[in-house]
Amino acid sequence: KNQVEQSPQSLIILEGKNCTLQCNYTVSPFSNLRWYKQDTGRGPVSLTIMTFSENTKSNGRYTATLDADTKQSSLHITASQLSDSASYICVVNMNRDDKIIFGKGTRLHILP
Amino acid sequence: DAGITQSPRHKVTETGTPVTLRCHQTENHRYMYWYRQDPGHGLRLIHYSYGVKDTDKGEVSDGYSVSRSKTEDFLLTLESATSSQTSVYFCAISPAGAGNEQFFGPGTRLTVL
Repeated sequence: KNQVEQSPQSLIILEGKNCTLQCNYTVSPFSNLRWYKQDTGRGPVSLTIMTFSENTKSNGRYTATLDADTKQSSLHITASQLSDSASYICVVNMNRDDKIIFGKGTRLHILP
Repeated sequence: DAGITQSPRHKVTETGTPVTLRCHQTENHRYMYWYRQDPGHGLRLIHYSYGVKDTDKGEVSDGYSVSRSKTEDFLLTLESATSSQTSVYFCAISPAGAGNEQFFGPGTRLTVL
């Protein structure tokens, strides 16, 4: 069954600390993996996309990694800020039938 | 929100009444999507459109219909609303298929009493 599992479900950290969010998938065939950030009361916004051949990609304080062999991705946030409080959603593109699979997201709370 | 608007933004209705949600884009993107988002489920695809008058079902299409008569507008209709359709509804657009970046609207919060 094609699934995308994210962990943890929720996370609370202090401002300035680093954190890592995990995404494991069983989707096949795999085309790409995208991380979205969703602020409360708003729609998701794309942070980064990882293709099969990419291992690491950075977008400011956000760094995504992909291990296509183990079918795992992570999103690392460095020096967290209050504005990082949001849900982070992992989305995998199947490269077949134009289908994508959404994870349920990780809810991140940054405390001052 | 990338030239996407949704209306209404909030709606409270009663069971059995018809409801239509509107998504409007100014980006001239070919693909448009309707999702619902519920706690514990994440985003789930209801219907999508790959062109004017071209639509297809998603994973949770029962009880919903859609129409796209113009590139810029994608309507979602609940023919007879039920309490299980209480949710936040998001419209998204994309220049190509689902594997490309999707741009999401601000959402519509629908409550069915």
